[in-house]
Amino acid sequence: SQQGEEDPQALSIQEGENATMNCSYKTSINNLQWYRQNSGRGLVHLILIRSNEREKHSGRLRVTLDTSKKSSSLLITASRAADTASYFCATEGGSEKLVFGKGTKLTVNP
Amino acid sequence: DADVTQTPRNRITKTGKRIMLECSQTKGHDRMYWYRQDPGLGLQLIYYSFDVKDINKGEISDGYSVSRQAQAKFSLSLESAIPNQTALYFCATSGNRERWYFGPGTRLTVL
Repeated sequence: SQQGEEDPQALSIQEGENATMNCSYKTSINNLQWYRQNSGRGLVHLILIRSNEREKHSGRLRVTLDTSKKSSSLLITASRAADTASYFCATEGGSEKLVFGKGTKLTVNP
Repeated sequence: DADVTQTPRNRITKTGKRIMLECSQTKGHDRMYWYRQDPGLGLQLIYYSFDVKDINKGEISDGYSVSRQAQAKFSLSLESAIPNQTALYFCATSGNRERWYFGPGTRLTVL
C-alpha cells in the first residue's frame, strides 16, 4: 500500500515561478526523502529531512516537515524548464524500507 | 559508470513466459531492493535483501521471486508472466536509511 498522497497530482507553472508540492503520510517515520523522476527514468535523490527537523534547504529546494500533521512540503524556487519531472516523497520508518507516495507531475513552461 | 545498472532496459514477452531481470550495483551496499511502478502510482516494494542470506517479501511479492547471487547482484524473476505485470521495474540500493540509489529501470511488457 502507498504511504500517502502527494498534492497536487499535477502542477503546471511558468518558468521563474515557485512550485510547491505537498506530501502526507500515515505512519511514524525516521526520515522523509524527496526524489525526482524524469519521464520513465530512474529516481534521483533530492533532499532528506529527519523526523526531528522542521525545515531544510538545498540550493533552490526547501523542504518542511510537520510530524504532528504527518505532512511535508517541497518548494522549488525560481523554476526552470529543466525542473519538469515527477516528484515523489518517500518515508523511512525504521525498517530500512522506503515507502513512496504517488507523486506530483510538475510541468514548467518556458 | 552508473552506480546501479539493470538489464534488460526493455523487454516484451508473452503470457506464461519466465522472465529474469538483473541488477548490479557498485556502491558496495548490503541493502538491495526491487520496486515496481505502474502509471499514476508511486513505487511499490516487491522484494528486498539486507545481505546475501537475508531476503524478504515486500508488499506485492506474489508472482515474483528473487535471487541474491552476491552482494552486488540481485535478480528478479517472474515465473509465469501475466499482462498485469506490465510495468516499470526499478532496482535500488542503500547503505544507510538516508539515501537510496536507483537503477535506470526496466520497462516490461507482457502480451
